[in-house]
Amino acid sequence: GQSLEQPSEVTAVEGAIVQINCTYQTSGFYGLSWYQQHDGGAPTFLSYNGLDGLEETGRFSSFLSRSDSYGYLLLQELQMKDSASYFCAVRGGPYGGATNKLIFGTGTLLAVQP
Amino acid sequence: DAGVIQSPRHEVTEMGQEVTLRCKPISGHNSLFWYRQTMMRGLELLIYFNNNVPIDDSGMPEDRFSAKMPNASFSTLKIQPSEPRDSAVYFCASTGTGNTEAFFGQGTRLTVV
Repeated sequence: GQSLEQPSEVTAVEGAIVQINCTYQTSGFYGLSWYQQHDGGAPTFLSYNGLDGLEETGRFSSFLSRSDSYGYLLLQELQMKDSASYFCAVRGGPYGGATNKLIFGTGTLLAVQP
Repeated sequence: DAGVIQSPRHEVTEMGQEVTLRCKPISGHNSLFWYRQTMMRGLELLIYFNNNVPIDDSGMPEDRFSAKMPNASFSTLKIQPSEPRDSAVYFCASTGTGNTEAFFGQGTRLTVV
């Protein structure tokens, strides 16, 4: 089976840096992704890590360590509009990469305070 | 492209009625996923298709739920009969071959009274 764990809530202030961790268990692994979801909206893609290391996209960075089954999302220069839920997601399973399921973590609610 | 399109956006129905949710994936995408989101359970994968073929339906909660994908541009999720505990937001998402990004529709908010 597959499971992903994230903290349920994180609070930070504007301008700060916050890290959201994700640990996963999966049979077969084809990448770790991160999604953002604002209240009432749909999840939207933020980043993807297929290999170990850090990927940077503007204020957001994502890290993966496959040996530790661990990744994190780093948000810098926090803004009020970053208040949202953040989900890690794993594409994994017994099939070839493109045909595997995409499973989401429980989500982390980020509250950015002035 | 208009993105993933789901209909209806909102559905209110009485317990025992049949409900059909619809999804049009992005043209050219070959994987389609149906999710259910609730406060208690988060984003649950119900079923997913690859090239219109159901690959894994282990997340479908009961026999009351069924899904089809008759062609590459259309999928349905049906609940018959519906129950109050089915109330949730149902999302459809699609990905292309080798594409690491899933695109979500705006969801259908289902309320069963």
